[in-house]
Amino acid sequence: GQQVMQIPQYQHVQEGEDFTTYCNSSTTLSNIQWYKQRPGGHPVFLIQLVKSGEVKKQKRLTFQFGEAKKNSSLHITATQTTDVGTYFCAAAFWGGADGLTFGKGTHLIIQP
Amino acid sequence: EAGVAQSPRYKIIEKRQSVAFWCNPISGHATLYWYQQILGQGPKLLIQFQNNGVVDDSQLPKDRFSAERLKGVDSTLKIQPAKLEDSAVYLCASSFTGGGTGELFFGEGSRLTVL
Repeated sequence: GQQVMQIPQYQHVQEGEDFTTYCNSSTTLSNIQWYKQRPGGHPVFLIQLVKSGEVKKQKRLTFQFGEAKKNSSLHITATQTTDVGTYFCAAAFWGGADGLTFGKGTHLIIQP
Repeated sequence: EAGVAQSPRYKIIEKRQSVAFWCNPISGHATLYWYQQILGQGPKLLIQFQNNGVVDDSQLPKDRFSAERLKGVDSTLKIQPAKLEDSAVYLCASSFTGGGTGELFFGEGSRLTVL
């Protein structure tokens, strides 16, 4: 089946450092969404990107969708302890099944 | 607004036994999804319903898993017989729109342990 590769799998940062996770597909995507899952919790929607080259910001979070609509990134500036969790990209493929395909996630661990 | 409700939250069974999970989506959401999340991995789509019809069940192990959404509202996911590798969290999600667009709202999940 169609997959999205997400890297890195784990990221340890000191509080206040920046963090970036990347999501890549070998085929063009219809759109991509990002979710955050706190330890022991369920995924919570962050954002949806639809347009080629789209950039969206939410406070310290910056989301980008590549020009070819095959890759995306999430960047967090000056991480805080509340940012701890796993960040998933979820892709919708052109001509594919309607459901979203999730990446394996990037686990963000923050050391105070 | 009430969120997606799931039960039970936890279930422990022995292999070859059966189990059923229930989901009540957000009112007005036509699309309902069941995802399987194995520890340390991303959610994997098992089945998607649009109202009471199945849109995608290509990754559902149909020899042991079944799901239904009677009357286009509540849904039940059943596993019979369970295997050790079915140990996972079963997440139900709903969305107002389908087609891979629109935010998914997840329930708290049902954690299954198969011994």
